[in-house]
Amino acid sequence: QVQLVQSGAEVKKPGASVKVSCKASGYTFTSYDINWVRQATGQGLEWMGWMNPDTGDTDYVQNFQGRVTMTRNTSISTAHMELTSLRSEDTAVYYCARGRRGEGYKYYYYMDVWGKGTTVTVSS
Amino acid sequence: SYVLTQPPSVSVAPGETARITCGGNNIGSKSVHWYQQKPGQAPVLVIYYDGDRPSGIPERFSGSNSGNTATLTVSRVEAGDEADYFCQVWDSSSDHNVVFGGGTKLTVL
Repeated sequence: QVQLVQSGAEVKKPGASVKVSCKASGYTFTSYDINWVRQATGQGLEWMGWMNPDTGDTDYVQNFQGRVTMTRNTSISTAHMELTSLRSEDTAVYYCARGRRGEGYKYYYYMDVWGKGTTVTVSS
Repeated sequence: SYVLTQPPSVSVAPGETARITCGGNNIGSKSVHWYQQKPGQAPVLVIYYDGDRPSGIPERFSGSNSGNTATLTVSRVEAGDEADYFCQVWDSSSDHNVVFGGGTKLTVL
């Protein structure tokens, strides 16, 4: 079945970097965007950006510009999200999610398959 | 940037109908999608393109969108529907292309 399997929990010190992976299966990896969304404890969903696994094109939210890098390895259908210069406010669950886009009578973009999430804790 | 406004909480008795709103400027011109998130779990898409249901989502879940308000309706609410619900749109005019509402906690009394 279609699924996204994420890497395990991470504990990092402030100033360090973290790289989270997201392995896709059950569909053609290069046919759909991969989005990254994070959620701090008790908070809402925060979209970080997306990557086109076919071309490698990316679009990052300005808040994360310069700190986030989204990459992929198409040979193993895996996407990665690296976040640098970590601070305590980056403590959150990080989700990857498959993006679906298109144009009916209105343009649409939604996320139909989600990974289970990777907990990243930033603490000294 | 585009802002989506949801009530923090909605409460309903089992068997009743829950309506969760998502407000935004001329949101009716955008496609609205809804996600359900239970504690400790990843979000699940329950409505896309204003009112379409993914396979496996009960018919009790429906959506509508007009003017400045989109609505997720859960009919014949069950205890298992208790969760956080988030609306989402794509806004091409802002840096935050994917915009989420703040979320609504649905409590089944």
